[in-house]
Amino acid sequence: DIVLTQSPLFLAVTPGEPASISCRSSQSLLYSNGVDHLDWYLQKPGQSPQVVIYLGSNRPSGVPDRFSGSGSGSDFILKITRVEPEDVGVYYCMQALQAPITFGQGTKLEIK
Amino acid sequence: QVQLQQSGPGLVTPSQTLSLTCAISGDSVSSNSATWDWIRQSPSRGLEWLGRIYYRSTWIHQYAVSVQSRIIISPDTSKNQLSLQLTSVTPEDTAVYYCARRRDHNTVSDVWGQGTMVTVSS
Repeated sequence: DIVLTQSPLFLAVTPGEPASISCRSSQSLLYSNGVDHLDWYLQKPGQSPQVVIYLGSNRPSGVPDRFSGSGSGSDFILKITRVEPEDVGVYYCMQALQAPITFGQGTKLEIK
Repeated sequence: QVQLQQSGPGLVTPSQTLSLTCAISGDSVSSNSATWDWIRQSPSRGLEWLGRIYYRSTWIHQYAVSVQSRIIISPDTSKNQLSLQLTSVTPEDTAVYYCARRRDHNTVSDVWGQGTMVTVSS
């Protein structure tokens, strides 16, 4: 199984400041078509996970442009340029390159 | 707008079968571009993918090795829903269970059910 390792596991950020989360994979997530099958999900308290970035760097409609994803192969970064109070929750990376789908441990983002 | 509505009991007796249903609106369980996943979440295991079904001229099932001897995911095309059955449950199966759609040929898991908290206890 592909293992995803996130860091840090906890972030406390002042509103308006940036935040960055790393996700490292035990093997490359780059598919033969040139696409990285790595997504980022935010789970707000009491809610189901919701996608914020898919296929490494794609932002779904409705997700604010302060969220961005970068990286390729085995190393990925989720960046929030200016954290806002509604961004609190747990962020997970997820790989869908091959079954079983696997998740990182999660990074809890809190507001200072 | 695609929605997934989960239903099923919140309490299951040890050694019995956990059964959940995920009703789909706005898409079809027989879609030839989507897959339908069951995922669970517990404090001890985090987010854990259990398995999926999808239709590509025939029904395809994939299951996690950890549960493959105990799990059945099946479609009900007449009701446009999928179901999860997990047999011989133990307290370690206590978790929040989610169904989710992965659309456009493995592009993104864009729709999730509301989650069902299932407790395994006598």
